[in-house]
Amino acid sequence: AQTVTQSQPEMSVQEAETVTLSCTYDTSENNYYLFWYKQPPSRQMILVIRQEAYKQQNATENRFSVNFQKAAKSFSLKISDSQLGDTAMYFCAFMFRGGADGLTFGKGTHLIIQP
Amino acid sequence: NAGVMQNPRHLVRRRGQEARLRCSPMKGHSHVYWYRQLPEEGLKFMVYLQKENIIDESGMPKERFSAEFPKEGPSILRIQQVVRGDSAAYFCASAERQETQYFGPGTRLLVL
Repeated sequence: AQTVTQSQPEMSVQEAETVTLSCTYDTSENNYYLFWYKQPPSRQMILVIRQEAYKQQNATENRFSVNFQKAAKSFSLKISDSQLGDTAMYFCAFMFRGGADGLTFGKGTHLIIQP
Repeated sequence: NAGVMQNPRHLVRRRGQEARLRCSPMKGHSHVYWYRQLPEEGLKFMVYLQKENIIDESGMPKERFSAEFPKEGPSILRIQQVVRGDSAAYFCASAERQETQYFGPGTRLLVL
C-alpha cells in the first residue's frame, strides 16, 4: 500500500516570505497523481495544485508551485509571497491513476503566516 | 456551477441511533468518494461510488456502515447504531474524471 509522509507538523513564517512544505511518498506504481489540499479553519478542503506523475514539468498555480522529484518520491509545495489567508493545514495526497481506492493523505502540516 | 454540497453540516446522535449523511456532487460529476477525518489527522478513504454502483469500499468498516449513490438523488453514507468512536468529520468529494476530486464542506458527527 502507498504511504504519504509529511515530516513538518507545524511551520510559521512572516507574511510575504516564501515557504516550502515537504512531502514524500512510497509506491511501487508508475502511474499516479499527487495533490496538495488546503484546509483553513473553516475545515473546507480546497484543492491547491495537482501533478501528474508522467509529466516532468512541475505544476504551478499563481503563487503555488511544486518541486516534483519522481526518483526521490518527493513532492514539495512552495508558497511565494505568503499571505495571511494562507494560514491553514496543508495535506499532501496521492492517488493511483484510475483512482479506485481514493486519495491517500499525509498527516498534514499546520502553516501559520505571521503578520 | 454549485460546489459539492453536504448536509447536514452538523449532526448530533446518541449512542445506538442511526446517522444519515448526504452528499450532492457537482453537476456533471458521476464519481463520489467518502472520507473520514478524525481530530488532528488527515482524511482516510472510506468508499468510492459511481451512479448506482459501489466501486471500492475497502476503507469502510464492514459492520454498521453502508453507502449508496442512487440514479436520482444524493449519495448517502449511513451509520447504524452509532458509537462514540464514530465521532468525526465526514467529507464527500466528487469528480468528473477520477483524478481530480472536489470536496464538500463536510458533516461533523458528534455521538453522545
